[in-house]
Amino acid sequence: GAVVSQHPSRVICKSGTSVKIECRSLDFQATTMFWYRQFPKKSLMLMATSNEGSKATYEQGVEKDKFLINHASLTLSTLTVTSAHPEDSSFYICSGGTNNEQFFGPGTRLTVL
Amino acid sequence: AQSVTQLDSQVPVFEEAPVELRCNYSSSVSVYLFWYVQYPNQGLQLLLKYLSGSTLVKGINGFEAEFNKSQTSFHLRKPSVHISDTAEYFCAVLSAGNMLTFGGGTRLMVKP
Repeated sequence: GAVVSQHPSRVICKSGTSVKIECRSLDFQATTMFWYRQFPKKSLMLMATSNEGSKATYEQGVEKDKFLINHASLTLSTLTVTSAHPEDSSFYICSGGTNNEQFFGPGTRLTVL
Repeated sequence: AQSVTQLDSQVPVFEEAPVELRCNYSSSVSVYLFWYVQYPNQGLQLLLKYLSGSTLVKGINGFEAEFNKSQTSFHLRKPSVHISDTAEYFCAVLSAGNMLTFGGGTRLMVKP
């Protein structure tokens, strides 16, 4: 299957800093990518749909100014958690795919102190 | 709108016993169904998928699932589990725009 990478895999930062997470499709082009957030022992919660060359579509309750998404190329989407706070600590996962299947990145563990 | 329900949040089972993880979905259109496995601190790995054709789908690691349209179910089964199967399992349905809707997950705990 296709490969999606995420970087970094783990990040620890101080409260108030901004953190950028990259999601790359390595062997296919993804006009659309998805960003999820997963709390411990919980399912994946869709945060937003990242659209190449246009604005992201955010799910209800997700602050677009807090979670900035940029999809500047067909193989890269970035999620920036701005002014991170401890409550933003979570596991963030991205996915991209073709018709009928999504491929997931390995996830990024964000810990805000 | 589509939704996915995984009835069991946890399923404890002894090693080498059979297991079934239940999944029910609701959808007004044709469905594409998936099962993913997640090991601690890792992303999701596709176990199997149903797009069309045979309703019995075989996946990796000895897992299989059966699509039952009349019961709107897609239960996951394995005839004999191993300790290494201990993980979180997610059922999902694909909707328009390639968006996945996930169930709440089932934690499979295999005991020696």
